[in-house]
Amino acid sequence: EDQVTQSPEALRLQEGESSSLNCSYTVSGLRGLFWYRQDPGKGPEFLFTLYSAGEEKEKERLKATLTKKESFLHITAPKPEDSATYLCAVQAEEAAGNKLTFGGGTRVLVKP
Amino acid sequence: KAGVTQTPRYLIKTRGQQVTLSCSPISGHRSVSWYQQTPGQGLQFLFEYFSETQRNKGNFPGRFSGRQFSNSRSEMNVSTLELGDSALYLCASSLVGQGVTGELFFGEGSRLTVL
Repeated sequence: EDQVTQSPEALRLQEGESSSLNCSYTVSGLRGLFWYRQDPGKGPEFLFTLYSAGEEKEKERLKATLTKKESFLHITAPKPEDSATYLCAVQAEEAAGNKLTFGGGTRVLVKP
Repeated sequence: KAGVTQTPRYLIKTRGQQVTLSCSPISGHRSVSWYQQTPGQGLQFLFEYFSETQRNKGNFPGRFSGRQFSNSRSEMNVSTLELGDSALYLCASSLVGQGVTGELFFGEGSRLTVL
C-alpha cells in the first residue's frame, strides 16, 4: 500500500526565515510526486510535479527536490502570503488515471 | 476560464439520509476525481471518472457512488449517512485522461455535516 508521511505537521516561521518541509514516501514504483498548496476554505492548488530522483523544480520562493525515498519543499525567505498547508502526493506506476495518495500536510504560518 | 464548480458548498444532513453532490469540471476536462478530506485522515481518494466510466476506486464502502455525464459533469452520492461521513468533499478535474498528470484542478469543495 502506498504511503506518504509529511513532517513537521506545523511550522511557524518569521518572515524571511527559510525552512524545509519533508515528504517521505513508499510506493511500488513512482510515476510522479506532486506538491500542492491549500489555503483555508479552498481546494488544493497544484505547485509541482517531480518524476525522478535528482529532479528539482522552482517557483518563486519555493523549490522542490526529489530523492528515491523523500521529497523536500524548500521555502526561501518566506512572506506572510506563503502561509498555507502544503500537501505532498504520489502516483504509483500501477495506478490508472489520476489516483493520488496524499500525505497529511504541513501547516505553515509565516509571521511578519 | 471558469474553474471547477461544486454544489452545494455547505449542507447538513442527519444519519440515515442520503446526499448527492455535484461537480462541473473545467471546460474541456474529461477526467473528474473525487476526494474526501477530514482532519484525521487527510485527503483520501474516492473514485475517478473518465469519459463516463469509473476508472479507479478508493477503499470506501459501497454507500459511496458516483457517475459522470456526457458533458463531463459528475455527481457523487452517499447513502445511509453516518456521522463519520462528515467531511469536505473535493472534486478535481484534469485535462489529460491518461498517463502522468497529477495536475488536478480542485474545486472549493462541498462541506457535509452529518448530525
